[in-house]
Amino acid sequence: DADVTQTPRNRITKTGKRIMLECSQTKGHDRMYWYRQDPGLGLQLIYYSFDVKDINKGEISDGYSVSRQAQAKFSLSLESAIPNQTALYFCATSDSGGAYEQYFGPGTRLTVT
Amino acid sequence: GQNIDQPTEMTATEGAIVQINCTYQTSGFNGLFWYQQHAGEAPTFLSYNVLDGLEEKGRFSSFLSRSKGYSYLLLKELQMKDSASYLCAVRDSNYQLIWGAGTKLIIKP
Repeated sequence: DADVTQTPRNRITKTGKRIMLECSQTKGHDRMYWYRQDPGLGLQLIYYSFDVKDINKGEISDGYSVSRQAQAKFSLSLESAIPNQTALYFCATSDSGGAYEQYFGPGTRLTVT
Repeated sequence: GQNIDQPTEMTATEGAIVQINCTYQTSGFNGLFWYQQHAGEAPTFLSYNVLDGLEEKGRFSSFLSRSKGYSYLLLKELQMKDSASYLCAVRDSNYQLIWGAGTKLIIKP
């Protein structure tokens, strides 16, 4: 079984709809992240959480919100989706010890029409 | 501002050696990472450098020069499965990863 899972894997939605992307991990890591990836651009950090009670905005948090329901679960919401939020979304986790390398989920391809 | 530069695309031949460069300007430095990403898939961790010098891991090596703000990833004995994008990322003074746009490596037979 995958250590970091994301649901759904693909989603098509309409402008103005609310949508939630979910991430779960079995690695026991305390840190979790949400990124978006657009063609030709690097990964951009949306939100990150160092533990259940610690949530921080990343570089592109406008239009997004998150919830850390448990150490293993971190969800991303688009309150009112717009077409320029069409992108590939990745969840990642890391441990607070060591080099902090991040482990990524398989991604959610979101299309907003 | 913070910036990481990598070539957009490189082409190499199966069995050969290729070097992918990365230069960076960031607010502080707490390590440099290389990740591999196959098309449509998640990035996977390749290497980590925090001190100057060369780190070798099988067919892959990564070099860092902090004074020059420079790193490279060296791939030897290229295989077709090495066709992927290679992402350079620097951890800044806030311990956040700043990502380059990635280098798409095309391997030809």
